[in-house]
Amino acid sequence: EAGVAQSPRYKIIEKRQSVAFWCNPISGHATLYWYQQILGQGPKLLIQFQNNGVVDDSQLPKDRFSAERLKGVDSTLKIQPAKLEDSAVYLCASSLNPSSNEQFFGPGTRLTVL
Amino acid sequence: GDSVTQMEGPVTLSEEAFLTINCTYTATGYPSLFWYVQYPGEGLQLLLKATKADDKGSNKGFEATYRKETTSFHLEKGSVQVSDSAVYFCALSVYTGNQFYFGTGTSLTVIP
Repeated sequence: EAGVAQSPRYKIIEKRQSVAFWCNPISGHATLYWYQQILGQGPKLLIQFQNNGVVDDSQLPKDRFSAERLKGVDSTLKIQPAKLEDSAVYLCASSLNPSSNEQFFGPGTRLTVL
Repeated sequence: GDSVTQMEGPVTLSEEAFLTINCTYTATGYPSLFWYVQYPGEGLQLLLKATKADDKGSNKGFEATYRKETTSFHLEKGSVQVSDSAVYFCALSVYTGNQFYFGTGTSLTVIP
């Protein structure tokens, strides 16, 4: 079974630039999550999708972050414009459904904002 | 609110030493508890889990018991190997919405 795929693996940009990350969850998984993991900290949930609808985006900085999952499969997370404090690893995870209580994580995208 | 407090690292052990990483939690309901492991350059992998009080999760020689009376889920391994060097995250999940709360992670280095 293929795991959660993410790209790119690494990205370096300058502040005020835009960046987008892509995630393809495990086939059949209805629930998709985006996490931000700052160095030395645990992952923090940014947004949760159930199929193509948003379940929870309470911790997403909506003035600069956006995410979509238009067809209920893969997802894109965008930052526009980026700030220095956005430097982090962005993790995508998926689960079969919200009550399955097990999430499968992708390898992450390491973003460096200069 | 719901949260996890995890033992700070880094932890350095010699091969075959005994490992304990402490984890305590605060939850309003009845959470499921997890340990995830993150090897260098990789994403998080589920190591073990327990879904109710007194359950013991185990995998690859690691164990953790869900203790409701002490709100703890400490990770243990009797004899660590160099290949166990990684960052370990304790996490909880509350049923509603399945949101996960992670601890800050404990870095483990095992030296030969």
